[in-house]
Amino acid sequence: GQQVMQIPQYQHVQEGEDFTTYCNSSTTLSNIQWYKQRPGGHPVFLIQLVKSGEVKKQKRLTFQFGEAKKNSSLHITATQTTDVGTYFCATGDGGFKTIFGAGTRLFVKA
Amino acid sequence: NAGVTQTPKFRVLKTGQSMTLLCAQDMNHEYMYWYRQDPGMGLRLIHYSVGEGTTAKGEVPDGYNVSRLKKQNFLLGLESAAPSQTSVYFCASSAAETQYFGPGTRLLVL
Repeated sequence: GQQVMQIPQYQHVQEGEDFTTYCNSSTTLSNIQWYKQRPGGHPVFLIQLVKSGEVKKQKRLTFQFGEAKKNSSLHITATQTTDVGTYFCATGDGGFKTIFGAGTRLFVKA
Repeated sequence: NAGVTQTPKFRVLKTGQSMTLLCAQDMNHEYMYWYRQDPGMGLRLIHYSVGEGTTAKGEVPDGYNVSRLKKQNFLLGLESAAPSQTSVYFCASSAAETQYFGPGTRLLVL
């Protein structure tokens, strides 16, 4: 079945440093979604990308969808302690289900 | 507009006991999902429903049953709880690809 692989599994950064997580698939994706889960919380939808080469920004967060629609990235500029959590990429399976990556856990040291 | 709610928030069971987790959504979404999340792990789909009166198996359905008698409610049952079912259970609903998650139920099976 369709899978999305996320790297890295976790990352420790100093506050103010940048952070990037990557999501890769061996097949062409119809869309990619990104979710954030704070420690002890539930996943919260951040954004969806559907077009080849699409780039969207939300304040310090930049989301990209690859030209071949097989990969995506989430980049955070100048991390803050409020960015701590796990970031998941996800994609529709062409049916009714959403396939989630394993997530990248971000630790930010003040 | 409460979104997705889950009850209970936390529960401790003894091995062999049964319980039902309730998920309710007020967004009139057709699709509802039950996931489990284990420490440091991603989301694994247990069962899902594409409409009132329908249910389908996900990735890890064994030991669980579900029912969707009303569009707004999706129940997850554990007939005979096992320690391996200790986890955090998230319910989600969607109208399309974007999923909206409830706050989760933390279940401990002793």
